[in-house]
Amino acid sequence: NAGVTQTPKFRVLKTGQSMTLLCAQDMNHEYMYWYRQDPGMGLRLIHYSVGEGTTAKGEVPDGYNVSRLKKQNFLLGLESAAPSQTSVYFCASSYRDQPQHFGDGTRLSIL
Amino acid sequence: KNQVEQSPQSLIILEGKNCTLQCNYTVSPFSNLRWYKQDTGRGPVSLTIMTFSENTKSNGRYTATLDADTKQSSLHITASQLSDSASYICVVSARRGGATNKLIFGTGTLLAVQP
Repeated sequence: NAGVTQTPKFRVLKTGQSMTLLCAQDMNHEYMYWYRQDPGMGLRLIHYSVGEGTTAKGEVPDGYNVSRLKKQNFLLGLESAAPSQTSVYFCASSYRDQPQHFGDGTRLSIL
Repeated sequence: KNQVEQSPQSLIILEGKNCTLQCNYTVSPFSNLRWYKQDTGRGPVSLTIMTFSENTKSNGRYTATLDADTKQSSLHITASQLSDSASYICVVSARRGGATNKLIFGTGTLLAVQP
């Protein structure tokens, strides 16, 4: 029972490079989310999706794009990475507004 | 402004002892309050969820309380174990028009249980 799986687990990028973080869930959840977690701050919502083919902006969407082409997958893209995007990224899924199931995070460093 | 404040920021207790973590919020309109446990290097895991009408909810040795009048919640851990060492995050859900509520996350209380 995998739950929410995030890949990769770790990544180091140089400023200006691009990359995509992948999130996959096997619970048939409609809702999926991307958060970032920084020291001393609560989790902050980047983007979310309430169904296949739909996405919406969260609290801190600038510099990120997302896509939800399949119900089980939610992709987070960084087009031109900046040092301010160094963070731990968490993906989550839920059945409507029920408690979310989180992945174990992607630790991203941008030099 | 919607806010969730947790106290203390960190706490050290001896194995076997009890402890209580606090969460104060100014979130409106209130939908529900959740407590999560986050182990180091892992994602948060849901412990409890309480709606406006619920004032206590238990999950094993974890008991959450909610006072919607004073906008306070607490998480009580009984007979602590080394595996309870983690960050405990209070999350308040605010109702809004649309498909999903807005979640406001606290910064967490870091608990260390020592043998």
